[in-house]
Amino acid sequence: EVVLTQSPATLSLSPGQRATLACRASQSVSTSLAWYQQKPGQAPRLLIYDASARATGIPPRFTGRGSGTDFTLTINSLEPEDSAVYYCQHRSSWPPITFGQGTRLQIK
Amino acid sequence: EVQLVESGGGLVQPGGSLRLSCAASGFTFRTYGMNWVRQAPGKGLEWVSYISGSSNNMHYADSVKGRFTISRDNAKNSLYLQMNSLRDDDTAVYFCARDLMGPTIYYGLDVWGQGTTVTVSS
Repeated sequence: EVVLTQSPATLSLSPGQRATLACRASQSVSTSLAWYQQKPGQAPRLLIYDASARATGIPPRFTGRGSGTDFTLTINSLEPEDSAVYYCQHRSSWPPITFGQGTRLQIK
Repeated sequence: EVQLVESGGGLVQPGGSLRLSCAASGFTFRTYGMNWVRQAPGKGLEWVSYISGSSNNMHYADSVKGRFTISRDNAKNSLYLQMNSLRDDDTAVYFCARDLMGPTIYYGLDVWGQGTTVTVSS
């Protein structure tokens, strides 16, 4: 079973700065990795799939990179509305879905 | 518009049962695998169960195996989760989410419902 470990747990940055969120897999997952953004009281929103492809409607400020065991989500030119919890997720035969524990991004 | 709408949540006593529903619209429901994902208060996302488009493949998290049953009715564009023997730690917001795994690419959980709240308490 693949375990996803996200770091840091919390990240506090200012508007206009760049955020780099990490996700490490306990074994190689190739590029079968997605990233989600979740704001309070809302459902998660797909940002990145297949490690680096942006989902429909996601601005180019959001960039996913990586393969194998190490992945990053970079958010450029941070805006206040980017404040959220970000999750990475892997798809496999078993268990089908695994989530990381999340990174809380605070913009202030 | 592509949409998923959950219903059926509520307050139930420990040991009780509840059936969640997820109504799909705006896409060809039978061609997608579907998942239930839950989120306990103040916690992260936890995958609960998966069912393939034709219902020939189903999986459960160890935490719900033997107590929860996933099913779907493609004629009604609906997904279900029958939850029995509910425990306090099943308290969570339950989301349904669409899933697509291609031959070489994983497309992610690209459509989510708004969630339905299940509270297990005496």
